[in-house]
Amino acid sequence: QQPVQSPQAVILREGEDAVINCSSSKALYSVHWYRQKHGEAPVFLMILLKGGEQKGHEKISASFNEKKQQSSLYLTASQLSYSGTYFCGTERIDTGNQFYFGTGTSLTVIP
Amino acid sequence: KAGVTQTPRYLIKTRGQQVTLSCSPISGHRSVSWYQQTPGQGLQFLFEYFSETQRNKGNFPGRFSGRQFSNSRSEMNVSTLELGDSALYLCASSLYGETGELFFGEGSRLTVL
Repeated sequence: QQPVQSPQAVILREGEDAVINCSSSKALYSVHWYRQKHGEAPVFLMILLKGGEQKGHEKISASFNEKKQQSSLYLTASQLSYSGTYFCGTERIDTGNQFYFGTGTSLTVIP
Repeated sequence: KAGVTQTPRYLIKTRGQQVTLSCSPISGHRSVSWYQQTPGQGLQFLFEYFSETQRNKGNFPGRFSGRQFSNSRSEMNVSTLELGDSALYLCASSLYGETGELFFGEGSRLTVL
């Protein structure tokens, strides 16, 4: 029931780009993206809604393919501060107010 | 404005004991949800409350329970603790709980010995 995230881990050099994917087997109403740094609370990055609406930070971009129930988070020109674990959270049409989070993608940006 | 506050931040219990964790949401937020975070499993949904009503519950045994008070503060309780309950328990609040941004607390780290 958890969405599947890929890759599980990625190491980048500053300035490189990365894509993190999130895939669900169920029809989704929305996909959320959060970043968690070690020892800290997860922080909101982006919401993508069924129908195309998006809400989030300006420097973060993402897509939501409703036909495939897949979302991708695009991190461009990565900075050291991008390091952390990225989680996608999904709201399914059949279960409403229940979030299903992926197991996370560990992103490390090195100088 | 103040963020989501969880207490206690750290606690150690022994098997068979029970524990109560507290979460104070952001002022004005009416939805509070709870998650268990363990290495390799990510965040597992426990339950979600809105205006004192539990709207949804995850796949956890009945030993896990919660409630929400009229001021939106929430508590979760775990009875008859097992070693596998050791985890970081995160609370998140949002205005309405539906397609809204979640604001997480820093969590309560429970260790069961």
